[in-house]
Amino acid sequence: IEMTQSPSSLSASVGDRVTITCRASQSVINYLNWYQQKPGKAPKLLIYAASSLQTGVPSRFSGSGSGTDFTLTISSLQPEDFATYYCQQSYSTPRGTFGGGTKVEIK
Amino acid sequence: EVQLVESGGGLVQPGGSLRLSCAASGFAFSNYAMTWVRQAPGKGLEWVSAISGSGGGTFYADSVKGRFTISRDNSKNTLYLQMNSLRVDETAVYYCAKEGWLQSLPSLDSWGQGTLVTVSS
Repeated sequence: IEMTQSPSSLSASVGDRVTITCRASQSVINYLNWYQQKPGKAPKLLIYAASSLQTGVPSRFSGSGSGTDFTLTISSLQPEDFATYYCQQSYSTPRGTFGGGTKVEIK
Repeated sequence: EVQLVESGGGLVQPGGSLRLSCAASGFAFSNYAMTWVRQAPGKGLEWVSAISGSGGGTFYADSVKGRFTISRDNSKNTLYLQMNSLRVDETAVYYCAKEGWLQSLPSLDSWGQGTLVTVSS
């Protein structure tokens, strides 16, 4: 299963609403996870099952979608949110392919 | 607290071999599948291999099948990745990650800090 994210990068300001999309080459139902990775650090699970927030993740993050189309939204971008975000399908677990990533940069 | 600590990375020549280890603590290691994910410099995440909790099931990306071997020693709470016939384009940070089940759906809920493998002559 191939995962395609868009955009590959974006520039935004603190306080902006940011939306990242992820499309699967076939239905993954809601077997979709989102990870955040900061430079030089390991990825961190943000959202699982397409829309459920991992413990400790701020409520400004949200996920939606099912089937082949998914979105990650940050309602009000904070300085600590500048990072790269990856979607991952776990429908074909344990072979959980990742999207190409979306780098969120400061405008 | 879950902790995953990778080791074993380093510089290796093309065609050479390396064995990575991932020491786990803070959870019942044998109850969880484990995964290796790699990231080439400046690139995205690539799923490499996974192993079931018992070690009886192993899975590989097509790009590494036949050259890499994943294994685990549940008595030592340690995951391994034996990498043979390494290629220059396999230079990457290799992460181990724990598979968790939240709402009955799988995700990689804990990650190690990664170990750098450099394949170069």
